[in-house]
Amino acid sequence: EIVLTQSPATLSVSPGERATLSCRASQFIKTDLAWYQHKPGQPPRLLIHGASSRATGIPARFSGSGSGTEFTLTISTLQSEDFAVYYCQHYNTWPPPFGGGTKVEIK
Amino acid sequence: EVQLVESGGGLPQPGGSLRLSCAASGFTFDDYTMHWVRQVPGKGLEWVAGINWNSRSVAYAESVRGRFTISRDNGKNSLHLDMHSLRSDDTAFYYCAKDKEVGATAYYFDSWGQGTLVTASS
Repeated sequence: EIVLTQSPATLSVSPGERATLSCRASQFIKTDLAWYQHKPGQPPRLLIHGASSRATGIPARFSGSGSGTEFTLTISTLQSEDFAVYYCQHYNTWPPPFGGGTKVEIK
Repeated sequence: EVQLVESGGGLPQPGGSLRLSCAASGFTFDDYTMHWVRQVPGKGLEWVAGINWNSRSVAYAESVRGRFTISRDNGKNSLHLDMHSLRSDDTAFYYCAKDKEVGATAYYFDSWGQGTLVTASS
């Protein structure tokens, strides 16, 4: 079973700065990777699929990259509404695993 | 606009049962595989179960297999999760989620409900 490891667990960033989040897969997963944003009291929101394709309505400051086993989510200029927990998820597989999450907090 | 509204959460005793429901609107329900995903408060996300458009293909996480049953009613645009032999580690927010791919099962989720809380504790 594939395991996704996200790092760091917590990322402290000032508004306006860049945030770089990492997701590592225990096996080769091509580009079958999605990223979600999750804020308290709200459902998760799909940001990225196919490792690098933004979902509908997602701002261009969110970008994804990587393939195989190493993936990155970059938020180019953090806005106040971007402070949240971010999860990566491998799909096109059963069961579809999630990473443990990275909390992006205000520095 | 896609809307998914869960209901049925509560405070079952360990060993008890509960039925969750999800009312869907804003899209052609029977074009999509539907899923349940849960989150233990303060912890990460865990996929629980999925059902394809015609209910002929269902899948479960190992942690719930044999205890939970996913079903759907395309005539009523509704999704259900029957939960039995509940354990304390089933305590979580349960989200109804729509598969991204039309007519297929990709196991990733482009729309989610607000969630319903199940607390299985004595």
